[in-house]
Amino acid sequence: GAGVSQSPSNKVTEKGKDVELRCDPISGHTALYWYRQSLGQGLEFLIYFQGNSAPDKSGLPSDRFSAERTGGSVSTLTIQRTQQEDSAVYLCASSLREGPNSPLHFGNGTRLTVT
Amino acid sequence: AQTVTQSQPEMSVQEAETVTLSCTYDTSESNYYLFWYKQPPSRQMILVIRQEAYKQQNATENRFSVNFQKAAKSFSLKISDSQLGDTAMYFCAFRDNQGGKLIFGQGTELSVKP
Repeated sequence: GAGVSQSPSNKVTEKGKDVELRCDPISGHTALYWYRQSLGQGLEFLIYFQGNSAPDKSGLPSDRFSAERTGGSVSTLTIQRTQQEDSAVYLCASSLREGPNSPLHFGNGTRLTVT
Repeated sequence: AQTVTQSQPEMSVQEAETVTLSCTYDTSESNYYLFWYKQPPSRQMILVIRQEAYKQQNATENRFSVNFQKAAKSFSLKISDSQLGDTAMYFCAFRDNQGGKLIFGQGTELSVKP
């Protein structure tokens, strides 16, 4: 079946503009996660959803970052007034359940470049 | 707070040889889950192997196996008969018993040389 789909795959934007990144999880997966990966770095947790609610949004770096999930499916990560330090690959993952043994399935990410 | 440390930023191995990637973690919990993910140049993270902390037996998946030392909080990945397709970034990750987020290490870039 289809995997996690992210769009766009690449996004170049000017400093100060807003951007929206989209994630389509695997059908039936209830949990959805956003991570950020800066060049040569590990994965930095941003937020996760169980259904439409976000039990843990502790990783959002500032109030310029927000995310929502509607219908227990698609999620959008919005970055307002982008800064150059926001340049990174944004990865989305989903899992069948929230439980600890339920593995995360990742998309191919969106590479964001802020000029 | 839990942390995951991978002390080897880069490693290389000859094709068909065996290589071991190190990972240590810090937690005060007694039950949790550990994972190794692989990230090839395509960027997609792929689950390699997972281990439940309460299980004594080390997990194995074909050429991949782990050496889980709970007391030492160590979780190393052994790749046997290395193949060119194993070239990738490898990330160790921790997840507590509540589920939720995975906490990742900084990664080890593995190059398999012909």
